Amino acid sequence: NAGVTQTPKFQVLKTGQSMTLQCAQDMNHEYMSWYRQDPGMGLRLIHYSVGAGITDQGEVPNGYNVSRSTTEDFPLRLLSAAPSQTSVYFCASSYALATGELFFGEGSRLTVL
Amino acid sequence: LAKTTQPISMDSYEGQEVNITCSHNNIATNDYITWYQQFPSQGPRFIIQGYKTKVTNEVASLFIPADRKSSTLSLPRVSLSDTAVYYCLVGDPSSKYSGAGSYQLTFGKGTKLSVIP
Repeated sequence: NAGVTQTPKFQVLKTGQSMTLQCAQDMNHEYMSWYRQDPGMGLRLIHYSVGAGITDQGEVPNGYNVSRSTTEDFPLRLLSAAPSQTSVYFCASSYALATGELFFGEGSRLTVL
Repeated sequence: LAKTTQPISMDSYEGQEVNITCSHNNIATNDYITWYQQFPSQGPRFIIQGYKTKVTNEVASLFIPADRKSSTLSLPRVSLSDTAVYYCLVGDPSSKYSGAGSYQLTFGKGTKLSVIP
């Protein structure tokens, strides 16, 4: 098993550009989520999904879109990148709500100029 | 959502036992307490989870008093490789999305543990 795979690992964008951060898991997890991590802020939840076709907002959803068309994939879209979205993004997945243990990807470092 | 409060940082010498306490005054009946460890440039990694009393695994112990308003992560005989940020989370892993509820696991700012030689 590859676990949780995030791509790309690094990305530089200009203000106003759009892009998609990819997240895939091969553990058949129902629950998937996106966090962003900024210095001194810990991890903040952006969006999450409890199964294919179901998504919901987390703590800081503005400027981001998600969709969950398959169990395996949970892409995060930045519609119009802003410097405030410069951050490290982590995708995580979990078994079907039984244990709450989250498995994290290695992170995607995004810089918006 | 239950909020957690942890010390921002702690220092310890190698070989000592380290106890990190987390406060979660608004913990709900069905909430579990979970601790994660994060090294620089990596995603967090699950350490231990518990509901009440004491839980022990090969890495750590988790102590939860009867009122469950706090919990203590205990790391025995720390080494330099235990230098990391430790997060305490509170959430209900059994909740199901119903449209009226939500299922979120919220991280706080964590405790930065520095182990000194």
